[in-house]
Amino acid sequence: ELKVEQNPLFLSMQEGKNYTIYCNYSTTSDRLYWYRQDPGKSLESLFVLLSNGAVKQEGRLMASLDTKARLSTLHITAAVHDLSATYFCAVDRTGTASKLTFGTGTRLQVTL
Amino acid sequence: DSGVTQTPKHLITATGQRVTLRCSPRSGDLSVYWYQQSLDQGLQFLIQYYNGEERAKGNILERFSAQQFPDLHSELNLSSLELGDSALYFCASSVGPINQPQHFGDGTRLSIL
Repeated sequence: ELKVEQNPLFLSMQEGKNYTIYCNYSTTSDRLYWYRQDPGKSLESLFVLLSNGAVKQEGRLMASLDTKARLSTLHITAAVHDLSATYFCAVDRTGTASKLTFGTGTRLQVTL
Repeated sequence: DSGVTQTPKHLITATGQRVTLRCSPRSGDLSVYWYQQSLDQGLQFLIQYYNGEERAKGNILERFSAQQFPDLHSELNLSSLELGDSALYFCASSVGPINQPQHFGDGTRLSIL
């Protein structure tokens, strides 16, 4: 059974600081997604990482994928309050029907 | 706006009842997915349909069923509701059945009293 673990579960950080969220998964997969969710809202797609070594950046967020280590990271640079949300990673096993297995989520709170 | 439409947005009902949640996928998407988000279980995949046929099943209870109609909209039926079924139910859609980015609707919040 595919398991996806995120850490930390909760992250409180000050504006202007940097931090990294980690996503580990248990079985082979070459496709990893990062989503953002505001409280009570839908899931917004942030990044799709398709291959080993993939790196994508959008604004203050950068995601990377190491398929050999089964690890993805979401790095936050110079955090701002608007980034406060819950961030999920999700894994889709290559070659099967598409059913995303989500991590537990990391609730990010950026304080002024 | 993802283009995925879910109705209703909120649903309040009692234990033992039956409800139907509806989802219209993005224009051009043939695949529909249902997910449940609860405090206990997190985000869990329930079921996937592609062009009217069931494609994959996840942790879906026997009391739950779904279908996708010829016009590609989908319905999730929940019966004999229990307190633990209270959750946010998301529908997502994608173009194809495998390894495609999924676009999520706003969800239906189901509250069981």
